[in-house]
Amino acid sequence: DADVTQTPRNRITKTGKRIMLECSQTKGHDRMYWYRQDPGLGLRLIYYSFDVKDINKGEISDGYSVSRQAQAKFSLSLESAIPNQTALYFCATSDFGTGAQETQYFGPGTRLLVL
Amino acid sequence: RKEVEQDPGPFNVPEGATVAFNCTYSNSASQSFFWYRQDCRKEPKLLMSVYSSGNEDGRFTAQLNRASQYISLLIRDSKLSDSATYLCVVTATNYGGSQGNLIFGKGTKLSVKP
Repeated sequence: DADVTQTPRNRITKTGKRIMLECSQTKGHDRMYWYRQDPGLGLRLIYYSFDVKDINKGEISDGYSVSRQAQAKFSLSLESAIPNQTALYFCATSDFGTGAQETQYFGPGTRLLVL
Repeated sequence: RKEVEQDPGPFNVPEGATVAFNCTYSNSASQSFFWYRQDCRKEPKLLMSVYSSGNEDGRFTAQLNRASQYISLLIRDSKLSDSATYLCVVTATNYGGSQGNLIFGKGTKLSVKP
């Protein structure tokens, strides 16, 4: 079984709809992240969480919200989807140790199309 | 200046060729450096960390020049299976003061041909 899973894997929605993307991990990591990837723009950080009580905005948080329901679960919501939120969304986890070089482990991604 | 810059490619090379990717970063306070590999329509995966002394993993060699803020990845004897996009990644130090967040380059696409 995959260590980091995302649901759904693909989603088509309409402008104005609320949708939620879910991420679960079995790696026992404290840190979780949401990124979006657009052609020509690379990966950009939306939100991140260093533990259950910690939520932080990333580079492009406008239009998104998150919930860290448990150490293993981190959900991303689009309250009112718009077409320019069409992208590939990745969840990632990491376990940052003292002096360690951080490795992030990514889920398989969710392809979102907003019509 | 963009935070992490890479040549987007694509690099089209024959099997067995040696190919080098370059990357520059703008934040001199970055502490950690990585190369990730991303196959088409798949998630990024860590290829190797990059250490100040340089490091090698089989056919892959990574170099870091902190003074020039420059990172490189060399692939020797390239294989068809090396075809992918290679992402240069550095740690950010100014996301709310949180150490450890990563800044990704846009990636360099490599295509190895028979």
